[in-house]
Amino acid sequence: AQTVTQSQPEMSVQEAETVTLSCTYDTSESNYYLFWYKQPPSRQMILVIRQEAYKQQNATENRFSVNFQKAAKSFSLKISDSQLGDTAMYFCAFMKHGSYSGAGSYQLTFGKGTKLSVIP
Amino acid sequence: DVKVTQSSRYLVKRTGEKVFLECVQDMDHENMFWYRQDPGLGLRLIYFSYDVKMKEKGDIPEGYSVSREKKERFSLILESASTNQTSMYLCASSLRDGGYTFGSGTRLTVV
Repeated sequence: AQTVTQSQPEMSVQEAETVTLSCTYDTSESNYYLFWYKQPPSRQMILVIRQEAYKQQNATENRFSVNFQKAAKSFSLKISDSQLGDTAMYFCAFMKHGSYSGAGSYQLTFGKGTKLSVIP
Repeated sequence: DVKVTQSSRYLVKRTGEKVFLECVQDMDHENMFWYRQDPGLGLRLIYFSYDVKMKEKGDIPEGYSVSREKKERFSLILESASTNQTSMYLCASSLRDGGYTFGSGTRLTVV
């Protein structure tokens, strides 16, 4: 079974500054996906960024980037130029990759989340 | 806009009632999921379905059942609601390559 650990329950950052959210995971799989999801106070969870484990290049989406260290099983999220709208819960998630086999496939395992507050 | 719609944002039910939480997606996704979200515990998978009439237990299925009679609709059923089922319930759908789309959530209070 996979586990995902987010060691920072809460964080804060000044507007326009950079913040890094940590995530580690444990798996025996060699092929998998990693995700960061954002849940603003309005509650709808949205995908921030996605990383395929076989890709060495770190994923980037505008101000959001990841530092993926496969050997260390670490997947941190960096938010640059933080904005007030970045205030949210952030969840790291793991999905194993492989041929479709019904049960267990495409199931996300989430960490417990990090509550990020951006301070004006 | 593609979407996952949960029928209720807030529900208050009495202990022992049978409760139905409905979820509809308009993206023709094969996979649908029900998660429960509690502070400090993150999201925990209750049940999922990878095809019509197919279902699989997640990590915390006790006290819940599901129904998927049509591809677009996935219902979560609390057979006899209890106070420890007070929680936020999130529905999601996905294609086979991952990338979930979530609904807005239903906050259920059992009194």
